[in-house]
Amino acid sequence: GAGVSQSPSNKVTEKGKDVELRCDPISGHTALYWYRQSLGQGLEFLIYFQGNSAPDKSGLPSDRFSAERTGGSVSTLTIQRTQQEDSAVYLCASSPGGGTAKEQFFGPGTRLTVL
Amino acid sequence: GENVEQHPSTLSVQEGDSAVIKCTYSDSASNYFPWYKQELGKGSQLIIDIRSNVGEKKDQRIAVTLNKTAKHFSLHITETQPEDSAVYFCAAKSPGTSYGKLTFGQGTILTVHP
Repeated sequence: GAGVSQSPSNKVTEKGKDVELRCDPISGHTALYWYRQSLGQGLEFLIYFQGNSAPDKSGLPSDRFSAERTGGSVSTLTIQRTQQEDSAVYLCASSPGGGTAKEQFFGPGTRLTVL
Repeated sequence: GENVEQHPSTLSVQEGDSAVIKCTYSDSASNYFPWYKQELGKGSQLIIDIRSNVGEKKDQRIAVTLNKTAKHFSLHITETQPEDSAVYFCAAKSPGTSYGKLTFGQGTILTVHP
């Protein structure tokens, strides 16, 4: 079946512009995570969704970052007034959810470059 | 919060040799430790995971060991093949949450030379 998909695969933008990154999780997965991977670094947790709710937004680095999820499926990560330090690969993962940790399935990521 | 350290950052081996990657974690309450393989242009893929109630888990050429006392866990790949070349990430589930919030190590670039 289809895995997690993300779009666009690459995004180049100018400093100060807004960008939207999209994640399509695996059908039926109720849990969705956004991570950020900067060059040479591990994955950094940004936000967690269970259904359409985001009980943990603790990883969002600033109020320029926001995310939403609709219909318990597609999620959009929005970065306003982008800065050069926002350049990174943004990864989305989904899992079946539930009370215990389950395997997270990752998308291929969106590589964001802020000039 | 949880902190995960991963070593080495790069590892180069000859085909057929074994490769070992080590991670340490800071919070003794962490109870789930997955390993992910990230290949260029592909999403990260879970290759093996271990929960805190076992000390070792093996799947063909891949094994993971966990030492809860020392708070470290290791990935062992035997009989390495060129297709094992990738970036490997360890992670620990952040305790105190009912969901799978993970804290990742910095990654290890494994290169297997034919």
